[in-house]
Amino acid sequence: SNLLTQPPSLSVAPGQTARITCELNNIGSRSVHWYQRKPGQAPVVVVYDDTDRPSGIPERFSGSNSGNRATLIISRVEAGDEADYFCQLWDNSLDHVLFGGGTKLTVL
Amino acid sequence: QVQLVESGGGVVQPGGSLRLSCAASGFSFRTYGMNWVRQAPGKGLEWVAFLRADASNAYYGDSVKGRFTISRDNSKNSLFLQMNSLGVEDTAIYYCARPIEGDRTVPFDHWGQGTLVTVSS
Repeated sequence: SNLLTQPPSLSVAPGQTARITCELNNIGSRSVHWYQRKPGQAPVVVVYDDTDRPSGIPERFSGSNSGNRATLIISRVEAGDEADYFCQLWDNSLDHVLFGGGTKLTVL
Repeated sequence: QVQLVESGGGVVQPGGSLRLSCAASGFSFRTYGMNWVRQAPGKGLEWVAFLRADASNAYYGDSVKGRFTISRDNSKNSLFLQMNSLGVEDTAIYYCARPIEGDRTVPFDHWGQGTLVTVSS
């Protein structure tokens, strides 16, 4: 089962800001990574270690992580951002990788 | 460029076994820990197992621990997943995935295309 809790869906108008959350008790003490996945494609890391961005990922993608909630923030949302987004972390107390259930972002 | 190519999937009866392989190329395989991840139909991603670069330590998801074994052959740039006592709940696409840095477990910057395992009588 997915222990990381994400809202199943989010709808945002173009140009607005999307905030996708990922919740776990004390998640702020762990490094959280975010992926974008489009149909038929492999997932792509858009934010890693809470706030870092891989090369090639637009600055519109950013992250935060504190307390019991991590957030992926997509500014100035574009039609091409429509995808599934999921969070991930390594839980070093369980020695497990945890995945969120994913959030389907719809651009209106 | 980095390539990960899974093989070995197929249809197997409940209680049966299957061995998956992942052929890696385009990077120094022996310096990276590697993961198996799966996705059941209509479900989200589930981590299956991780093996360190030198095979010194392996970690497993709760649903597969004791039934699946991850292994590697660094001389052949290959990762394996031996799956025993398969149940219908193991039906999924199985992916191998490489972490962004060799000494890390996550995040994954490269994924294979996946191989489908169907457990059915």
